[in-house]
Amino acid sequence: GDSVTQMEGPVTLSEEAFLTINCTYTATGYPSLFWYVQYPGEGLQLLLKATKADDKGSNKGFEATYRKETTSFHLEKGSVQVSDSAVYFCALIGAGQNFVFGPGTRLSVLP
Amino acid sequence: DAGVIQSPRHEVTEMGQEVTLRCKPISGHDYLFWYRQTMMRGLELLIYFNNNVPIDDSGMPEDRFSAKMPNASFSTLKIQPSEPRDSAVYFCASSLKPHTDTQYFGPGTRLTVL
Repeated sequence: GDSVTQMEGPVTLSEEAFLTINCTYTATGYPSLFWYVQYPGEGLQLLLKATKADDKGSNKGFEATYRKETTSFHLEKGSVQVSDSAVYFCALIGAGQNFVFGPGTRLSVLP
Repeated sequence: DAGVIQSPRHEVTEMGQEVTLRCKPISGHDYLFWYRQTMMRGLELLIYFNNNVPIDDSGMPEDRFSAKMPNASFSTLKIQPSEPRDSAVYFCASSLKPHTDTQYFGPGTRLTVL
C-alpha cells in the first residue's frame, strides 16, 4: 500500500539555520503531496502542497519540490525562526483516494 | 468561516462509559474525516464521509467505535464501551475535494479514559 517515510526527529536548530526535513513516499500512480504543520495544542494546518511532478509548493519561506524520479518531497527553509518550532507531517493522497500521513518530525528552534 | 468545530475539547471518562465526540465541518465541504493521534501510532485515519455517506471505515479499530453523519453540518464519533487504550487526541477534518484539496483540521478532542 501507499506509505510515507519521514526523517526521525526531534530536530534541534539554532535560529537562522537552514532546515531540511526529508520525506519519501511509495505510491501507485501520481499522488498529491502535502506538508502539514502542527503547533502545540492545535490541529494540523496545511503548509504547502504539490499535485504533480516537478511542482514546487511554497509558503512562509518553506519550499518543497515534487520529485517523481526520487519519490521525494523534502521540506526546506533557508532561515528558521523560533516561531517555526512545531511538528511537521508529510502526507499524500493516492490515486485511490487513500490518505496517508507520515509519523511527523518535531522541530525545535533555539534562540 | 469559523473553521472546523469540535466538541468537547477535553473529555475525561472512566473505562466502560460511552463517549461521543462531535464535529461541525466547514460549510460547503463535501468530505469529512476522523483521525486519531497518539504518541505510539501517530496520526491514523479512522473513517471518512463523502456527502454524508461513509466511504472508507477500514481504519476504525473495532466494533466499539462507530461514526455517523446525519447531515452535512454534523458528525459524531462514538466509543462504547471506552477503554484506557482509547486515550488519544481525536481530530475531525473537512475538505472540498479529496484528491488534491487541503484538509482543514479542527482543534481536536483530547480524550482520557481512566
